[in-house]
Amino acid sequence: KNEVEQSPQNLTAQEGEFITINCSYSVGISALHWLQQHPGGGIVSLFMLSSGKKKHGRLIATINIQEKHSSLHITASHPRDSAVYICAVVDGLTFGKGTHLIIQP
Amino acid sequence: DTGVSQDPRHKITKRGQNVTFRCDPISEHNRLYWYRQTLGQGPEFLTYFQNEAQLEKSRLLSDRFSAERPKGSFSTLEIQRTEQGDSAMYLCASSLESGGYGYTFGSGTRLTVV
Repeated sequence: KNEVEQSPQNLTAQEGEFITINCSYSVGISALHWLQQHPGGGIVSLFMLSSGKKKHGRLIATINIQEKHSSLHITASHPRDSAVYICAVVDGLTFGKGTHLIIQP
Repeated sequence: DTGVSQDPRHKITKRGQNVTFRCDPISEHNRLYWYRQTLGQGPEFLTYFQNEAQLEKSRLLSDRFSAERPKGSFSTLEIQRTEQGDSAMYLCASSLESGGYGYTFGSGTRLTVV
């Protein structure tokens, strides 16, 4: 069973700051998802990546398959980015516990 | 297609009652997954279907839980004799084939057992 660890668990930052959320896993995978969950439960898939780097707007996701590690970065953070960010590895989907991000104005 | 739909959004039930949730996946997606999420935790895998076949069940899915996908389209998750520990968000997701193409999640059904 893949163990998925995220850090930090909680993160509070000021608007405009550069945010980094980390995800590590124990067993090699074919792909990893970054998900965003807003209060009320809805989950949105942000990225699916199997190598390198992907960018969408202010969000950047990177993965290092050899090191079994992925990061999600948010540039110029905004209060609307406040949510729980979850990484999930593609093996039937094993989820991390999530990082609760609060961006203060 | 408006994505993955789950019904109801919220359900409050008394301990011992049976409840049933429904998930309507994206029509072209042949895989459908059920997850359970408790407060402060990431979702946990319960079961998944490829078309109408239930291919895997987690040990979290006790005998009181049953899931069906009778025609390979919508799915139902039934919990019999609910317990307070069943209180959670139940999430459904769908994908093409192995999911390596990406998952689409529903908004979930929040179950409260009182």
